Amino acid sequence: QKEVEQNSGPLSVPEGAIASLNCTYSDRVSQSFFWYRQYSGKSPELIMSIYSNGDKEDGRFTAQLNKASQYVSLLIRDSQPSDSATYLCAVMSGANSKLTFGKGITLSVRP
Amino acid sequence: DARVTQTPRHKVTEMGQEVTMRCQPILGHNTVFWYRQTMMQGLELLAYFRNRAPLDDSGMPKDRFSAEMPDATLATLKIQPSEPRDSAVYFCASGSRGLVFPSGANVLTFGAGSRLTVL
Repeated sequence: QKEVEQNSGPLSVPEGAIASLNCTYSDRVSQSFFWYRQYSGKSPELIMSIYSNGDKEDGRFTAQLNKASQYVSLLIRDSQPSDSATYLCAVMSGANSKLTFGKGITLSVRP
Repeated sequence: DARVTQTPRHKVTEMGQEVTMRCQPILGHNTVFWYRQTMMQGLELLAYFRNRAPLDDSGMPKDRFSAEMPDATLATLKIQPSEPRDSAVYFCASGSRGLVFPSGANVLTFGAGSRLTVL
């Protein structure tokens, strides 16, 4: 089992819709969870972080964490064409704060 | 605007040649990660350092890859000899343990990447 798994996608939604991106992880004692966005040909950039169960909102983005089920998700409300990118889930675990990424899911927002 | 600087941005080489990639972390950051990204495997962790000491290089092929931090301003990733399967984008990312988030959490800033093509 891979340490961090994301639905392979791609995911396509119409402009204005809610995009839902999911991620599961295998290390039960993982500490911190991140979502990175990567535009084609660019480097990943951090958009959200979450460490405790529940929801965390930042503008149009909401991260959700459920440690009992070992999943973390990202909701993007009112999706815009500029949100079209690959979204990478990252999980930090271990005493040395190892940061492991999922393979990412490509989101396409149709105008 | 602080950023992670990677060189070279692009490298085309022939199989068997040595390749060295360099990374200058953000000043004051004490953690450096090396990742490799391919379409098939996504972002794979190769090695990472804290305060210049290697913490984990289990993701790195030991026979041909080596990673070092000769000083706090420079991290290097070397491949010798290179093979076509090493073709990928190599990212360096730096962070500061304890910055902003709960203690122990790394907020990583990525460099622009080094695109390697081995023919």
